[in-house]
Amino acid sequence: DGGITQSPKYLFRKEGQNVTLSCEQNLNHDAMYWYRQDPGQGLRLIYYSQIVNDFQKGDIAEGYSVSREKKESFPLTVTSAQKNPTAFYLCASSINAGINYGYTFGSGTRLTVV
Amino acid sequence: AQKVTQAQTEISVVEKEDVTLDCVYETRDTTYYLFWYKQPPSGELVFLIRRNSFDEQNEISGRYSWNFQKSTSSFNFTITASQVVDSAVYFCALSEFSSGSARQLTFGSGTQLTVLP
Repeated sequence: DGGITQSPKYLFRKEGQNVTLSCEQNLNHDAMYWYRQDPGQGLRLIYYSQIVNDFQKGDIAEGYSVSREKKESFPLTVTSAQKNPTAFYLCASSINAGINYGYTFGSGTRLTVV
Repeated sequence: AQKVTQAQTEISVVEKEDVTLDCVYETRDTTYYLFWYKQPPSGELVFLIRRNSFDEQNEISGRYSWNFQKSTSSFNFTITASQVVDSAVYFCALSEFSSGSARQLTFGSGTQLTVLP
């Protein structure tokens, strides 16, 4: 079955460390996205990519980095510069088409700083 | 700039009651898309419906129905005869046609629905 796989499901990080969240899709979607979700808030866009080797900052990109070396993969690195990284991170993908069919989401990674 | 407002932070109902989740949006585009997603406790967002700005017909899918009114910029979601399995966070989202090929979605803050047995 096609879908998006995020790993790990839970991740613990010590302050000052960088961590990388994995996102893989086998839907042949062109566009991929990373969102952050905090309690009581909606989803906020961190980065997105429309095509391989290209990505754009979203609303809250500071302290994060991404790469898009393959169509299927869009890993997110949470760097030590991110002051409050504890959150739920969701990866999504979509077809790049004239009609917006919406996103397919992964099951998320819950990151906790200890 | 686009914006989605879900004023109801939390709603609790007793099983079999009907419940309506409100969504109000702001956009300058004449062409846009509206969505509802469900987020169960497992965390994954599940797509429920997509509506484009030129289609104001209300839609019904089983116990779910949606009321789209451009005059009030609202896209409300009603669950009829609610069930415990409907307990989740529900998000309304908007995508403007002019936002580019990335088709970014702007989400509301979500409504936590709890259905009590």
